[in-house]
Amino acid sequence: GIQVEQSPPDLILQEGANSTLRCNFSDSVNNLQWFHQNPWGQLINLFYIPSGTKQNGRLSATTVATERYSLLYISSSQTTDSGVYFCAGPGYSSASKIIFGSGTRLSIRP
Amino acid sequence: DTEVTQTPKHLVMGMTNKKSLKCEQHMGHRAMYWYKQKAKKPPELMFVYSYEKLSINESVPSRFSPECPNSSLLNLHLHALQPEDSALYLCASSQDRWNGGLFFGEGSRLTVL
Repeated sequence: GIQVEQSPPDLILQEGANSTLRCNFSDSVNNLQWFHQNPWGQLINLFYIPSGTKQNGRLSATTVATERYSLLYISSSQTTDSGVYFCAGPGYSSASKIIFGSGTRLSIRP
Repeated sequence: DTEVTQTPKHLVMGMTNKKSLKCEQHMGHRAMYWYKQKAKKPPELMFVYSYEKLSINESVPSRFSPECPNSSLLNLHLHALQPEDSALYLCASSQDRWNGGLFFGEGSRLTVL
Protein backbone atom coordinates (compact mmCIF):
# COMPACT_ATOMS: atom_id res chain seq x y z
CA GLY A 1 0.00 0.00 0.00
CA ILE A 2 0.90 3.64 -0.19
CA GLN A 3 3.44 5.02 2.28
CA VAL A 4 3.09 8.54 3.63
CA GLU A 5 6.11 10.14 5.32
CA GLN A 6 6.11 13.43 7.17
CA SER A 7 8.97 15.64 8.25
CA PRO A 8 10.12 16.88 10.61
CA PRO A 9 8.66 14.60 13.30
CA ASP A 10 8.94 17.33 15.93
CA LEU A 11 9.24 21.10 15.70
CA ILE A 12 9.55 23.66 18.49
CA LEU A 13 9.18 27.33 17.60
CA GLN A 14 8.74 30.67 19.24
CA GLU A 15 5.48 32.50 18.77
CA GLY A 16 5.59 34.56 15.58
CA ALA A 17 7.91 32.22 13.69
CA ASN A 18 7.12 30.66 10.31
CA SER A 19 7.32 26.95 9.53
CA THR A 20 7.12 24.48 6.67
CA LEU A 21 5.91 20.92 7.12
CA ARG A 22 6.47 18.33 4.44
CA CYS A 23 4.57 15.23 3.35
CA ASN A 24 6.08 12.73 0.89
CA PHE A 25 4.10 9.86 -0.55
CA SER A 26 5.34 6.72 -2.23
CA ASP A 27 2.81 6.55 -5.03
CA SER A 28 0.40 8.78 -6.86
CA VAL A 29 -2.11 10.21 -4.44
CA ASN A 30 -5.27 12.07 -5.19
CA ASN A 31 -7.31 13.95 -2.66
CA LEU A 32 -4.44 14.75 -0.31
CA GLN A 33 -5.58 16.29 2.97
CA TRP A 34 -3.92 18.12 5.85
CA PHE A 35 -5.25 17.91 9.41
CA HIS A 36 -4.48 19.54 12.72
CA GLN A 37 -5.07 17.54 15.88
CA ASN A 38 -5.35 19.76 18.91
CA PRO A 39 -4.22 18.69 22.40
CA TRP A 40 -7.77 17.47 23.16
CA GLY A 41 -7.73 15.05 20.25
CA GLN A 42 -9.99 16.90 17.83
CA LEU A 43 -8.90 16.45 14.20
CA ILE A 44 -9.59 19.50 12.08
CA ASN A 45 -9.53 19.32 8.31
CA LEU A 46 -7.24 22.16 7.18
CA PHE A 47 -6.98 21.57 3.46
CA TYR A 48 -8.29 19.21 0.85
CA ILE A 49 -5.65 19.72 -1.82
CA PRO A 50 -5.07 17.16 -4.58
CA SER A 51 -2.88 19.64 -6.46
CA GLY A 52 -1.95 23.29 -6.60
CA THR A 53 -1.93 25.82 -3.78
CA LYS A 54 -4.59 26.90 -1.32
CA GLN A 55 -4.52 29.52 1.41
CA ASN A 56 -6.59 30.01 4.51
CA GLY A 57 -5.49 32.88 6.69
CA ARG A 58 -2.00 32.22 8.06
CA LEU A 59 -1.97 28.70 6.63
CA SER A 60 -1.33 27.65 3.08
CA ALA A 61 -0.65 24.34 1.38
CA THR A 62 0.91 23.27 -1.89
CA THR A 63 0.71 19.84 -3.47
CA VAL A 64 2.91 18.81 -6.38
CA ALA A 65 1.28 15.52 -7.30
CA THR A 66 3.73 14.72 -10.11
CA GLU A 67 6.61 14.87 -7.60
CA ARG A 68 4.64 13.17 -4.83
CA TYR A 69 4.88 15.74 -2.10
CA SER A 70 2.86 18.36 -0.30
CA LEU A 71 3.91 21.27 1.91
CA LEU A 72 2.03 23.03 4.69
CA TYR A 73 3.13 26.57 5.54
CA ILE A 74 2.28 28.21 8.83
CA SER A 75 3.13 31.89 9.15
CA SER A 76 3.26 34.04 12.29
CA SER A 77 2.73 31.03 14.54
CA GLN A 78 0.46 31.31 17.57
CA THR A 79 0.33 29.09 20.63
CA THR A 80 -3.02 27.76 19.43
CA ASP A 81 -1.21 26.30 16.41
CA SER A 82 0.39 23.72 18.72
CA GLY A 83 -0.60 20.12 18.19
CA VAL A 84 0.04 17.41 15.65
CA TYR A 85 -0.25 17.98 11.92
CA PHE A 86 -1.12 14.99 9.75
CA CYS A 87 -1.25 14.61 6.02
CA ALA A 88 -3.39 11.83 4.61
CA GLY A 89 -4.28 10.49 1.25
CA PRO A 90 -5.73 7.53 -0.53
CA GLY A 91 -3.99 5.57 -3.22
CA TYR A 92 -5.61 5.13 -6.59
CA SER A 93 -6.03 1.45 -5.85
CA SER A 94 -8.45 2.19 -3.01
CA ALA A 95 -9.79 5.71 -2.90
CA SER A 96 -11.55 5.31 0.43
CA LYS A 97 -8.62 3.67 2.23
CA ILE A 98 -7.22 6.93 3.52
CA ILE A 99 -3.78 6.55 5.04
CA PHE A 100 -2.29 8.98 7.54
CA GLY A 101 1.33 9.96 7.82
CA SER A 102 3.05 9.69 11.19
CA GLY A 103 2.55 13.38 11.87
CA THR A 104 4.59 16.43 12.82
CA ARG A 105 4.30 17.47 16.46
CA LEU A 106 4.45 21.28 16.60
CA SER A 107 5.00 23.18 19.84
CA ILE A 108 4.73 26.95 19.79
CA ARG A 109 6.26 28.66 22.83
CA PRO A 110 5.04 32.09 23.98
CA ASP B 1 -18.59 23.51 16.23
CA THR B 2 -18.02 20.10 14.71
CA GLU B 3 -20.70 18.83 12.34
CA VAL B 4 -19.90 15.25 13.26
CA THR B 5 -21.11 14.40 16.74
CA GLN B 6 -19.82 11.45 18.74
CA THR B 7 -21.16 10.07 21.99
CA PRO B 8 -20.08 9.32 24.59
CA LYS B 9 -16.93 11.44 24.83
CA HIS B 10 -15.50 9.12 27.48
CA LEU B 11 -16.31 5.48 28.19
CA VAL B 12 -14.90 3.09 30.76
CA MET B 13 -15.90 -0.54 30.44
CA GLY B 14 -14.97 -3.93 31.74
CA MET B 15 -13.91 -6.79 29.52
CA THR B 16 -17.29 -8.49 29.86
CA ASN B 17 -19.39 -5.41 29.13
CA LYS B 18 -21.31 -4.58 25.97
CA LYS B 19 -21.35 -0.94 24.98
CA SER B 20 -21.81 1.17 21.85
CA LEU B 21 -20.22 4.27 20.39
CA LYS B 22 -22.46 6.52 18.35
CA CYS B 23 -21.76 8.97 15.55
CA GLU B 24 -24.07 11.35 13.72
CA GLN B 25 -23.54 13.74 10.82
CA HIS B 26 -25.95 16.13 9.15
CA MET B 27 -23.86 17.21 6.19
CA GLY B 28 -25.54 14.87 3.71
CA HIS B 29 -22.34 12.86 3.41
CA ARG B 30 -22.65 9.35 2.04
CA ALA B 31 -19.43 7.84 3.38
CA MET B 32 -18.70 7.30 7.06
CA TYR B 33 -15.62 5.94 8.76
CA TRP B 34 -14.36 4.56 12.05
CA TYR B 35 -10.74 5.15 12.98
CA LYS B 36 -8.81 4.01 16.04
CA GLN B 37 -5.99 6.13 17.45
CA LYS B 38 -3.49 5.09 20.11
CA ALA B 39 -1.45 7.67 21.97
CA LYS B 40 1.22 9.39 19.85
CA LYS B 41 0.20 7.43 16.76
CA PRO B 42 -1.73 8.41 13.64
CA PRO B 43 -5.35 7.31 13.22
CA GLU B 44 -5.77 3.81 11.81
CA LEU B 45 -8.69 2.98 9.57
CA MET B 46 -11.11 0.36 10.90
CA PHE B 47 -14.26 0.49 8.77
CA VAL B 48 -15.72 2.40 5.85
CA TYR B 49 -19.41 2.62 5.02
CA SER B 50 -20.48 3.87 1.63
CA TYR B 51 -24.16 4.54 0.99
CA GLU B 52 -24.97 2.67 4.20
CA LYS B 53 -23.14 -0.47 3.13
CA LEU B 54 -19.90 -1.74 4.61
CA SER B 55 -17.23 -1.31 1.94
CA ILE B 56 -13.99 -1.74 3.91
CA ASN B 57 -13.19 -3.78 7.01
CA GLU B 58 -9.51 -3.52 7.83
CA SER B 59 -9.37 -7.00 9.39
CA VAL B 60 -10.81 -5.66 12.61
CA PRO B 61 -11.51 -8.29 15.34
CA SER B 62 -15.13 -9.34 15.59
CA ARG B 63 -15.41 -7.89 19.09
CA PHE B 64 -15.90 -4.61 17.19
CA SER B 65 -19.15 -4.61 15.23
CA PRO B 66 -20.10 -1.61 13.09
CA GLU B 67 -23.62 -0.67 12.10
CA CYS B 68 -24.99 2.03 9.82
CA PRO B 69 -28.75 2.37 10.50
CA ASN B 70 -29.13 5.22 8.00
CA SER B 71 -27.05 7.71 6.06
CA SER B 72 -26.63 10.00 9.08
CA LEU B 73 -25.80 7.49 11.78
CA LEU B 74 -22.91 5.17 12.45
CA ASN B 75 -22.53 2.94 15.48
CA LEU B 76 -19.69 0.83 16.79
CA HIS B 77 -20.79 -1.99 19.06
CA LEU B 78 -18.22 -3.20 21.54
CA HIS B 79 -18.20 -6.59 23.24
CA ALA B 80 -15.59 -8.55 25.17
CA LEU B 81 -12.89 -5.97 24.58
CA GLN B 82 -9.33 -6.25 25.81
CA PRO B 83 -7.32 -3.63 27.70
CA GLU B 84 -5.21 -3.08 24.56
CA ASP B 85 -8.35 -1.85 22.82
CA SER B 86 -8.21 1.28 24.97
CA ALA B 87 -7.82 4.17 22.54
CA LEU B 88 -9.46 7.22 21.01
CA TYR B 89 -12.14 6.14 18.53
CA LEU B 90 -12.79 8.67 15.82
CA CYS B 91 -15.74 8.86 13.48
CA ALA B 92 -15.48 10.73 10.20
CA SER B 93 -17.60 11.43 7.17
CA SER B 94 -16.97 12.56 3.62
CA GLN B 95 -19.06 13.51 0.61
CA ASP B 96 -18.63 9.99 -0.70
CA ARG B 97 -15.87 7.40 -0.64
CA TRP B 98 -14.15 8.86 -3.70
CA ASN B 99 -14.44 12.58 -3.15
CA GLY B 100 -14.32 15.16 -0.48
CA GLY B 101 -12.32 15.77 2.62
CA LEU B 102 -12.75 13.86 5.84
CA PHE B 103 -14.57 15.61 8.66
CA PHE B 104 -13.99 14.15 12.10
CA GLY B 105 -15.97 14.12 15.30
CA GLU B 106 -14.32 14.91 18.62
CA GLY B 107 -13.77 11.24 19.35
CA SER B 108 -14.76 8.81 22.06
CA ARG B 109 -11.98 8.01 24.51
CA LEU B 110 -12.37 4.38 25.54
CA THR B 111 -10.74 2.72 28.53
CA VAL B 112 -11.08 -1.03 28.96
CA LEU B 113 -10.34 -2.31 32.45
